[in-house]
Amino acid sequence: EPEVTQTPSHQVTQMGQEVILRCVPISNHLYFYWYRQILGQKVEFLVSFYNNEISEKSEIFDDQFSVERPDGSNFTLKIRSTKLEDSAMYFCASSPPRPYYGYTFGSGTRLTVV
Amino acid sequence: GNSVTQMEGPVTLSEEAFLTINCTYTATGYPSLFWYVQYPGEGLQLLLKATKADDKGSNKGFEATYRKETTSFHLEKGSVQVSDSAVYFCALSDQTGNQFYFGTGTSLTVIP
Repeated sequence: EPEVTQTPSHQVTQMGQEVILRCVPISNHLYFYWYRQILGQKVEFLVSFYNNEISEKSEIFDDQFSVERPDGSNFTLKIRSTKLEDSAMYFCASSPPRPYYGYTFGSGTRLTVV
Repeated sequence: GNSVTQMEGPVTLSEEAFLTINCTYTATGYPSLFWYVQYPGEGLQLLLKATKADDKGSNKGFEATYRKETTSFHLEKGSVQVSDSAVYFCALSDQTGNQFYFGTGTSLTVIP
C-alpha cells in the first residue's frame, strides 16, 4: 500500500537553529499537509498546500514556518529559528482529490528542541 | 466553528470486552467524520470514515455511525484484542477537506 514517508524520524536541535523536516507524499496525491502534536495534546493543523501554494494555514504557522515542494516529489517544512515550544511530533499527510475522504499520514518526525 | 469532543481516557479493558469511545462534534455544513488510530511509536492511520449522515464506517471489527441528530460518531468494537491497544482519535473534515479537526485522543489498553 502506498505510504507517506517522513525523514528523519527523530531530530534534536538547539534553540535558535533552523530545521527542515522532509516528507515524500504519495505520488499521485495533489494535496499536502503538515500537522503537529505536542506531547499529550491534540493533533493540530499547521498548513495545507495545493498547486504549489499554501491554501490554508493556522495561527500556529507564523513567519518562522515555511513549506516548499522543491522538486515535485518532496514536501518540506522549515522552521527558521526553533523555540523550545516547537518540540512536538510533526506529521506530514497527503490526499488525492476529494481530501474530505481522508488523508494518508506519515509516521511523523519527533522534533526535540534543547 | 468546527470542533471535536472526545471521551477522556485512558481506557483499560480486558480482552474480549466491548469497547465504546464517545465522540461528538460541532460543525457547519456537512462534515466528513473519521477515526484515526495511533499505535505506539507509529503515525496516524485511518481506521474508518463516514461522509454523510447515517453512514456506518467499519474496519477491523470497529464500527461508527454518523448521527447528525445527536452530532455523534461513537466508536465501537464488540470484542477487543490486546493488539487493539493504541490511541484513538476522532476527527472531522469540512466539505473542502482543507483542514481536519482532531479530538484529544483516547488511549486504550487491552489486558489479557
